[in-house]
Amino acid sequence: DQQVKQNSPSLSVQEGRISILNCDYTNSMFDYFLWYKKYPAEGPTFLISISSIKDKNEDGRFTVFLNKSAKHLSLHIVPSQPGDSAVYFCAASANAGGTSYGKLTFGQGTILTVHP
Amino acid sequence: DAGVTQSPTHLIKTRGQQVTLRCSPKSGHDTVSWYQQALGQGPQFIFQYYEEEERQRGNFPDRFSGHQFPNYSSELNVNALLLGDSALYLCASSFGYSPLHFGNGTRLTVT
Repeated sequence: DQQVKQNSPSLSVQEGRISILNCDYTNSMFDYFLWYKKYPAEGPTFLISISSIKDKNEDGRFTVFLNKSAKHLSLHIVPSQPGDSAVYFCAASANAGGTSYGKLTFGQGTILTVHP
Repeated sequence: DAGVTQSPTHLIKTRGQQVTLRCSPKSGHDTVSWYQQALGQGPQFIFQYYEEEERQRGNFPDRFSGHQFPNYSSELNVNALLLGDSALYLCASSFGYSPLHFGNGTRLTVT
């Protein structure tokens, strides 16, 4: 049962344009969402997160949007740069009992390629 | 400041054997989580250790076990290896509600 889905295996964007990566979830208990970026031969690196009490969070070129009614979140990268080329994972957590966010449920990932 | 370090980086084992993977958390972190990432998939949660005890566990069989030491480092043990255990094993550390910091992983190949 895939509780977090990234339906686009890959995305190709021109440098300077906007990249939009999408993620859908089914578990209504999820209350914290994160995006991670992964380069080959490296572990995932945290990018940005959002709590379910918000619908938008910005950090520099990265913005995450959360639509709770649609159980959908998206990551916008503006402007896209060739160095952004990587695999992007969406992850979700249900913070039951106030424990730390160790148990993350990940999507399958989207390969982003930004062309110069 | 060293991040999360994992050893070894690569490992080849034979079906039925046992394997131990090691992880040192980022300085200041006290919680260690282990994930398995199969080819083309996202990481899957195995378990989490805090204060030397298993705090949460994912849908993995008892062949997967772990340990956390007083210095917060951790080991992941897998017994009776199957071909399907071939994957990248990621260790992540955290403190409180901080986002997980991942190591570069151990690539396990079972033949």
